[in-house]
Amino acid sequence: TQLLEQSPQFLSIQEGENLTVYCNSSSVFSSLQWYRQEPGEGPVLLVTVVTGGEVKKLKRLTFQFGDARKDSSLHITAAQPGDTGLYLCAGALAFGYGNKLVFGAGTILRVKS
Amino acid sequence: NAGVTQTPKFRVLKTGQSMTLLCAQDMNHEYMYWYRQDPGMGLRLIHYSVGEGTTAKGEVPDGYNVSRLKKQNFLLGLESAAPSQTSVYFCASTLLTGGFRKGFTGELFFGEGSRLTVL
Repeated sequence: TQLLEQSPQFLSIQEGENLTVYCNSSSVFSSLQWYRQEPGEGPVLLVTVVTGGEVKKLKRLTFQFGDARKDSSLHITAAQPGDTGLYLCAGALAFGYGNKLVFGAGTILRVKS
Repeated sequence: NAGVTQTPKFRVLKTGQSMTLLCAQDMNHEYMYWYRQDPGMGLRLIHYSVGEGTTAKGEVPDGYNVSRLKKQNFLLGLESAAPSQTSVYFCASTLLTGGFRKGFTGELFFGEGSRLTVL
């Protein structure tokens, strides 16, 4: 079972539509990150949220961290073909000698022009 | 701006063969990680290192070994490859800015991945 559940797993929309991706867990995270990954490349960080209830905006992307720090959402306004990719949420946990990120399975987004 | 470099990028192995994946970072990062990515399962942590000469097991360490003899390099070894190890492997590194904070990793910088197929 995944510690972080992402939904939906796959999303195919038309250019200009809005969408929301969800990331849920029963665990509390000290911080949560969203990454975007394109085919043949490694994930690239979009944002880190640290405080419960925090909202961050990155152009047309809005990220929210749940009040209890167990869930997060990514909302994209007026999606564009360039937004196509795999979106991964990742929660930070203390682990062993240090810290680690636990990743969700990801949401594949395809934006058609 | 090399960042994190993984070699090789592609490899095909037969069951039972051994190989080593090399990860090199030029950002002077303390923490380094090896993940594997499989369809529908996200990224799963294999092993990690919090500094030169130290390594620790992640979530799925069986069948893998690692070494961090130099700060900039993190090696992932498969002693006897199995078809279940067919995957895309990613190395990542991070610098804990602002000192150590329990449960906080900072931004992870990933390599481009190494696609391994075990027949």
